[in-house]
Amino acid sequence: QVQLVQSGAEVKKPGASVKVSCKASGYTFTSYGIGWVRQAPGQGLEWMGWISSYNGNTNYAQKLQGRVTMTTDTSTSTAYMELRSLRSDDTAVYYCARALMVYVNFDYWGQGTLVTVSS
Amino acid sequence: NFMLTQPHSVSESPGKTVTISCTGSSGSIASNYVQWYQQRPGSAPTTVIYEDNQRPSGVPDRFSGSIDSSSNSASLTISGLKTEDEADYYCQSYDGINHGGVFGGGTKLTVL
Repeated sequence: QVQLVQSGAEVKKPGASVKVSCKASGYTFTSYGIGWVRQAPGQGLEWMGWISSYNGNTNYAQKLQGRVTMTTDTSTSTAYMELRSLRSDDTAVYYCARALMVYVNFDYWGQGTLVTVSS
Repeated sequence: NFMLTQPHSVSESPGKTVTISCTGSSGSIASNYVQWYQQRPGSAPTTVIYEDNQRPSGVPDRFSGSIDSSSNSASLTISGLKTEDEADYYCQSYDGINHGGVFGGGTKLTVL
């Protein structure tokens, strides 16, 4: 069965960076891309970006351009999302999710990773 | 930027039918697929409708999706409401100009 298992919760200080991992299993990793979605406490879902696991092509949300980098490691079927220059409003649950293409459905989701930014 | 607007909340009684709207800010909402996700507290979202009107296996046929080009909106309709349908619902589509995904603000469905 398809599974996406994310790394554990993180606490970071403002200005630091965080890197969240998402290990995929149960399907051919390079046949699907991985998207990242975040949700601040009590707020809605925010689309962050998508990466092709096949060729590494990325699409990032405009507001995060320059601060976010998404990568994949096909040898371990793992996707990564790094967010730099963290601010308090980056505090959120970060989800990875599988999507065939950038413009289609997220059909499987990870369990979420809470990132807390606090001094 | 392309935005999707949803009502903040809706409520209806068990057994009734409810429709949640998702209105595009510009362009044609029919140009890209619309998905609908259900999210219960403390859980990751799950898809209830994809590609405008398709149901994943396991989602009951009480859930249906549609597109209305005249109002530039998508709709999620849930019939025969059950208390277990109480959740937050999000529409999602693609901004072809900025080449990125977009979520609506979410609608809290209360079944009382």
